Amino acid sequence: DNVLTQSPGTLSLSPGERATLSCRASQSVSSFYLAWYQHKPGQAPRLLIYGAFARATGIPDRFSGSGSGTDFTLTISSLEPEDFAVYYCHQYDTSPRTFGQGTKVEIK
Amino acid sequence: EVQLVQSGAEVKKPGESLKISCKGSGYKSTSYWIGWVRQMPGKGLEWMGIIYPDDSHTRYSPSFQGQVTISADKAISSAYLQWSSLKASDTAMYYCARGTSGSYHHAFDIWGQGTMVTVSS
Repeated sequence: DNVLTQSPGTLSLSPGERATLSCRASQSVSSFYLAWYQHKPGQAPRLLIYGAFARATGIPDRFSGSGSGTDFTLTISSLEPEDFAVYYCHQYDTSPRTFGQGTKVEIK
Repeated sequence: EVQLVQSGAEVKKPGESLKISCKGSGYKSTSYWIGWVRQMPGKGLEWMGIIYPDDSHTRYSPSFQGQVTISADKAISSAYLQWSSLKASDTAMYYCARGTSGSYHHAFDIWGQGTMVTVSS
């Protein structure tokens, strides 16, 4: 399996600050088949980024994705109150597809 | 509006069988993969498997192969996840989600609201 390791486990930040979330794959992810999701308690996950850097429909431009191969990053340029949540990366290159264990972005 | 609507919460005993559903609307359901994702209490997301409703082609994670069955009925735009004999460790929230395209390589862009399954004696 292609294991995705996210870091840090928890990120404590204030509104307006920049958040940088990392996702490292145990095997190279080809063709940028890497997505990011936001998950809040009591809600379904929400697709933010697919193809490593393409924003999904309706996603604000403060969310951006970058990276290739085994190292990928989700950046939130300036945190809004509604951005505090858990974020997961997901590779859909090889089977079985896998998710990272999540990074919790919490209010400092 | 494109949406996936899942069946309601279930409370079952160990050893019982269960089939939960996921109904798509607002799009051509035979043209998109549907996946199932588990979230155990306090844990992260786990990819269980996917199905292409048009031909019922299915792929499972090895972790779930033989433990669950994924199926679909394209006539009613529905996908299913079923267990023949539930265990307490199957207690979790289960989400269905739509693939971003008909391509085998897809993220999930539309998610159901989740079905909570509780297995307890």
